[in-house]
Amino acid sequence: GAVVSQHPSWVICKSGTSVKIECRSLDFQATTMFWYRQFPKQSLMLMATSNEGSKATYEQGVEKDKFLINHASLTLSTLTVTSAHPEDSSFYICSARPQALLTGLNSPLHFGNGTRLTVT
Amino acid sequence: GQQVMQIPQYQHVQEGEDFTTYCNSSTTLSNIQWYKQRPGGHPVFLIQLVKSGEVKKQKRLTFQFGEAKKNSSLHITATQTTDVGTYFCAGMNSGGYQKVTFGTGTKLQVIP
Repeated sequence: GAVVSQHPSWVICKSGTSVKIECRSLDFQATTMFWYRQFPKQSLMLMATSNEGSKATYEQGVEKDKFLINHASLTLSTLTVTSAHPEDSSFYICSARPQALLTGLNSPLHFGNGTRLTVT
Repeated sequence: GQQVMQIPQYQHVQEGEDFTTYCNSSTTLSNIQWYKQRPGGHPVFLIQLVKSGEVKKQKRLTFQFGEAKKNSSLHITATQTTDVGTYFCAGMNSGGYQKVTFGTGTKLQVIP
């Protein structure tokens, strides 16, 4: 159980275009989803916390106008990289935690397979 | 902000040797989780520690949570080639905002 599906798994886009990444919890509901970014050989850096029905909470240094997050339902969060530039090329991973009422606040994160974004 | 450091950054071991990675947080944690990420893959949850001084075992893996809930360790006995990957600790802060901060990771290479 607790499967998180992320799509697409990889995408190549031209500089200046926008890219949308979807993150779905397939067999559980998630009021909160997390978006991470991982550069090669580095750790996962939390970009933002996506909250269903409300605005996302962005980490310091992450541009909210560039990385648009929408959490329209309890099973879907999207991350849109707007006006992408080569420096945005990275591995983006979403994660979700089953609702607190069902499994407790300390339940582990379940990760999607990630999206490899390359901006040319 | 909260920082979670791991040492060593890299470790090469001969198959059959033991391996340990250490995790240190700048702040007290509510709990700590460990994940393993294979090359090209996504992090996979291994275990969670909640109590001060807690020790948990999974076959050849032993996880410890420090008394002050600021550090943790993962020890692998008699490594196998299947243990290859990067091991991340991830600490949840003890405040009301349930934020998980990943450690810097330890990349393990096992030489057959």
